[in-house]
Amino acid sequence: GAGVSQSPSNKVTEKGKDVELRCDPISGHTALYWYRQSLGQGLEFLIYFQGNSAPDKSGLPSDRFSAERTGGSVSTLTIQRTQQEDSAVYLCASSFRAYTAEVLWETQYFGPGTRLLVL
Amino acid sequence: EDKVVQSPLSLVVHEGDTVTLNCSYEVTNFRSLLWYKQEKKAPTFLFMLTSSGIEKKSGRLSSILDKKELSSILNITATQTGDSAIYLCAVAIIQGAQKLVFGQGTRLTINP
Repeated sequence: GAGVSQSPSNKVTEKGKDVELRCDPISGHTALYWYRQSLGQGLEFLIYFQGNSAPDKSGLPSDRFSAERTGGSVSTLTIQRTQQEDSAVYLCASSFRAYTAEVLWETQYFGPGTRLLVL
Repeated sequence: EDKVVQSPLSLVVHEGDTVTLNCSYEVTNFRSLLWYKQEKKAPTFLFMLTSSGIEKKSGRLSSILDKKELSSILNITATQTGDSAIYLCAVAIIQGAQKLVFGQGTRLTINP
């Protein structure tokens, strides 16, 4: 497909279980982002991958959260020992970074998200 | 702390009305301001603004950035029920990587 895809679209899990969320970015996009949107909240940055550089993990809320990006394409966000406050929509976005006259041009395109419910 | 604030949080109007959505920001290392429309789950890109005072238009939607006032507006003229959505404002900043800082969103409802 032409857009960012995510799976599963919905996930219900029990408190304490681990979950894995998957993101397939747009082909050729070098940057990949994970965001979280809790009920009634704005989008919250979690983690960022750019090419082969070390990821920026500064937005991860706790050490229960981790993410990897294999082969510079698909990314997996893992939440260990889930808690009820982890319930949210997890959105992935990808972009292609380009520089014109030293101005960074980058538009992030979002996937449909994974709605996670922790019971 | 980087912050983006949108107003109003919620707006209900009748079809055909014109609406103006507001976004103000306080960030370091500003790069650009983006508007997204969110229906269901995934935000879709509307505009990216980097220069102050230059209006961007797409059909009935238009947006402009005011870097002096640290704000942006999104206008929708002749609104239609299909315009009902959450409109998100995000500011791109550079902190090592480029990150988007999002506002809370404006929930726009267009009644027939």
